[in-house]
Amino acid sequence: QVQLQESGPGLVKPSETLSLTCGVSGGSIINYYWSWVRLPPGKGLEWIGYIHSSGSTNYNPSLKSRVTLSLDTSKNQFSLKMTSVTAADTAVYYCARVSVVATIVSYNYHSMDVWGQGTTVIVSS
Amino acid sequence: DIVMTQSPLSLSVTPGEPASISCRSSQSLLHRSGYNYLDWYLQKPGQSPQLLIYLASNRASGVPDRFSGSGSGTDYTLKISRVEAEDVGVYYCMQTLQTRTFGPGTKVDIK
Repeated sequence: QVQLQESGPGLVKPSETLSLTCGVSGGSIINYYWSWVRLPPGKGLEWIGYIHSSGSTNYNPSLKSRVTLSLDTSKNQFSLKMTSVTAADTAVYYCARVSVVATIVSYNYHSMDVWGQGTTVIVSS
Repeated sequence: DIVMTQSPLSLSVTPGEPASISCRSSQSLLHRSGYNYLDWYLQKPGQSPQLLIYLASNRASGVPDRFSGSGSGTDYTLKISRVEAEDVGVYYCMQTLQTRTFGPGTKVDIK
């Protein structure tokens, strides 16, 4: 049973960089996509981006200039860095595995099927 | 960018009664494969989101058959045939055709 666990500072100062890591246990990060999603207080879910174990990435256009995803196969973990944070980046941050849930002709369809429990990040001085 | 909307944003349901949530995309989610690239997720109180439906109408593993998804193009519906107390939470549709975009969410509670 694959499990994901987010970790990182719960408090970040405005204009600084938010750094979170998602540790994967019970399975390998190889040959999967891995995603980050956040839930700001009082708002809805926002997709941040995903990274494949090959290193390819895809980001939310509205966050792309500030976000970098990376992974460490030796540690079986992947990470999120978000620069120049403001109070608007205060949220619960979730990591998720993105798996092939269907194969349609020659296309693989992916969905977020395993989620971490989430970690709260507050941006405040 | 594809914008997702949902209605209603809040829904109060009597246990055992049906419920329906609508989701609309600003452009068609029909992929060249012939399938509609839309997922539904449920975030129960105090829990992480969970996948309910993928490709608009396919139940994810372990999802009860009282949940069903339908729709195509720009209009989609999630139906719960008989709502149970454990179904409370916020339901999100999410398009997967171009990057990913969630709808605003529909909060479902029990009367």
